[in-house]
Amino acid sequence: QKEVEQNSGPLSVPEGAIASLNCTYSDRGSQSFFWYRQYSGKSPELIMFIYSNGDKEDGRFTAQLNKASQYVSLLIRDSQPSDSATYLCAVNTGGFKTIFGAGTRLFVKA
Amino acid sequence: GAVVSQHPSRVICKSGTSVKIECRSLDFQATTMFWYRQFPKQSLMLMATSNEGSKATYEQGVEKDKFLINHASLTLSTLTVTSAHPEDSSFYICSALSKALSGANVLTFGAGSRLTVL
Repeated sequence: QKEVEQNSGPLSVPEGAIASLNCTYSDRGSQSFFWYRQYSGKSPELIMFIYSNGDKEDGRFTAQLNKASQYVSLLIRDSQPSDSATYLCAVNTGGFKTIFGAGTRLFVKA
Repeated sequence: GAVVSQHPSRVICKSGTSVKIECRSLDFQATTMFWYRQFPKQSLMLMATSNEGSKATYEQGVEKDKFLINHASLTLSTLTVTSAHPEDSSFYICSALSKALSGANVLTFGAGSRLTVL
């Protein structure tokens, strides 16, 4: 079992819809959870991180964490074509190492 | 927020030559930096963990003699691809850990360096 799993996609949503990206992790000791966005040919950029159970909102983005289910998700409201990218879920167990999922490709159709 | 600068952004070299890539933390000290490689349409692959003042820790399958890492200061790590060959052509990305106000360790990436070996 991979340590951090994501559906590779592609996930296709129409402009203005809510895009829902999901991630599961295997290490119950994981403490911090991150969502990065990576445009083609560019390096990943941090969207947001969460470390407590529940929801965390930042603009159009909402991260949701459920430690009991070992599940973290990212919701993108009012999706725009510019949101089309690969979204990487990452998990840190409290040490130096951050484990990345393989990423989910998102296409927002205009 | 934390900023990581990476240079050069693009480099083209001849087969057999060596290429150095620099990674700097601009507004924070980074005792630990990470080097990743990414081939087209593939996921990030961690190559090594760079520790200030000590030897780097390489991931399985990464040749330490080919990918030399030096982390001589708290703000600078370098990756040297020695005797580069066309199969080393890739997108190399560095990152550094910084502490968020919450105490969480947050990974910030440099812009990446695209290496093309002819």
